[in-house]
Amino acid sequence: DVKVTQSSRYLVKRTGEKVFLECVQDMDHENMFWYRQDPGLGLRLIYFSYDVKMKEKGDIPEGYSVSREKKERFSLILESASTNQTSMYLCASSLSQDHEAFFGQGTRLTVV
Amino acid sequence: RKEVEQDPGPFNVPEGATVAFNCTYSNSASQSFFWYRQDCRKEPKLLMSVYSSGNEDGRFTAQLNRASQYISLLIRDSKLSDSATYLCAVIRSNDYKLSFGAGTTVTVRA
Repeated sequence: DVKVTQSSRYLVKRTGEKVFLECVQDMDHENMFWYRQDPGLGLRLIYFSYDVKMKEKGDIPEGYSVSREKKERFSLILESASTNQTSMYLCASSLSQDHEAFFGQGTRLTVV
Repeated sequence: RKEVEQDPGPFNVPEGATVAFNCTYSNSASQSFFWYRQDCRKEPKLLMSVYSSGNEDGRFTAQLNRASQYISLLIRDSKLSDSATYLCAVIRSNDYKLSFGAGTTVTVRA
């Protein structure tokens, strides 16, 4: 079974803090994705990566950056957390460009 | 215009009923299509891929209409356990971006 693991289920951070969300997959998948999910807005793509050290902006990249130094790990960075970044963050990975994605269990981030 | 749009519902149906709903996509270069199921406070999980000729998986049938740029999901003989939010997902062929609709909520009542 594919396993996508996010480092934390719940996080509480203060406004202005730098926040790291980590995601690791164990199936040698090429593609990795970061989404945030908010009520009524669905899943919105923040960034994605189709190879090590490659990254592409999604629909809402502002206020975020990513890092993919190793194939299995994709990190989402909030440079200076703000209250409007309070959300559920979901990481996903897929084998290749036309395969389905598998999700981690999500990180519920609260910025106070 | 959003890249992927769904009727949010909710669809409230009795057990045993048939329920169907659509998802429209705006980019004609989209190449791959999926339906996901998401239970409350859980991550989305793949329900089924959608193939050009349409496909079935038990009580679930998915269809793709490229000319009108929509996919559909039909659930026959609904069970209480089918209550969930159903998300459609689309991959673009030019940059492989995976986009999701906001989801359609289905509630099956006894």
